[in-house]
Amino acid sequence: LAKTTQPISMDSYEGQEVNITCSHNNIATNDYITWYQQFPSQGPRFIIQGYKTKVTNEVASLFIPADRKSSTLSLPRVSLSDTAVYYCLVERRGSGGGADGLTFGKGTHLIIQP
Amino acid sequence: DAGVTQSPTHLIKTRGQQVTLRCSPKSGHDTVSWYQQALGQGPQFIFQYYEEEERQRGNFPDRFSGHQFPNYSSELNVNALLLGDSALYLCASSLFRLDRRMNTEAFFGQGTRLTVV
Repeated sequence: LAKTTQPISMDSYEGQEVNITCSHNNIATNDYITWYQQFPSQGPRFIIQGYKTKVTNEVASLFIPADRKSSTLSLPRVSLSDTAVYYCLVERRGSGGGADGLTFGKGTHLIIQP
Repeated sequence: DAGVTQSPTHLIKTRGQQVTLRCSPKSGHDTVSWYQQALGQGPQFIFQYYEEEERQRGNFPDRFSGHQFPNYSSELNVNALLLGDSALYLCASSLFRLDRRMNTEAFFGQGTRLTVV
């Protein structure tokens, strides 16, 4: 699976839009990009998944350029409760045997200040 | 819907002992995966169970074993515990879509905090 690279940490303020970019240069045709959020002492929580262009849900937006070698998670109007670790993952889908085990990196520690 | 439930929430064991952790998947899910998360690191994939068989395994020694029951619940067993096995153990469940030959998104439990002394 393609290795992902994302910033170790980011700071922002309440009410701001936060964009976290992830690079995955060796992404394959069957790969999807997935983002998870994790609070201390809790399991990761699925945020959003996409294959190309733009995906939006009630929590976030995911922007994926045409070459799919990077992706950007956009969190609109963040609050203090958005302080967490955000993981960018590449998931292989449709390989016939079900999804591979998820490969997590160290993630991005997002700290939101008042 | 109770989501993914894990037990116990915390556990302290002595080096060399054996431990069993339990997981009940989200209602409607048939696939269970286990992860180990050391402090400050991302979760690392241990193995995945589907139809009561280990379908995939990560880079973990044979001391780590598992089981899935007919009701889809699962156990993770670790033998001969080492200090380095101290971590948060996470269980995740998903549904394998036969029509699309892929799993739905993974839902994680709160984890079991294992401390080996």
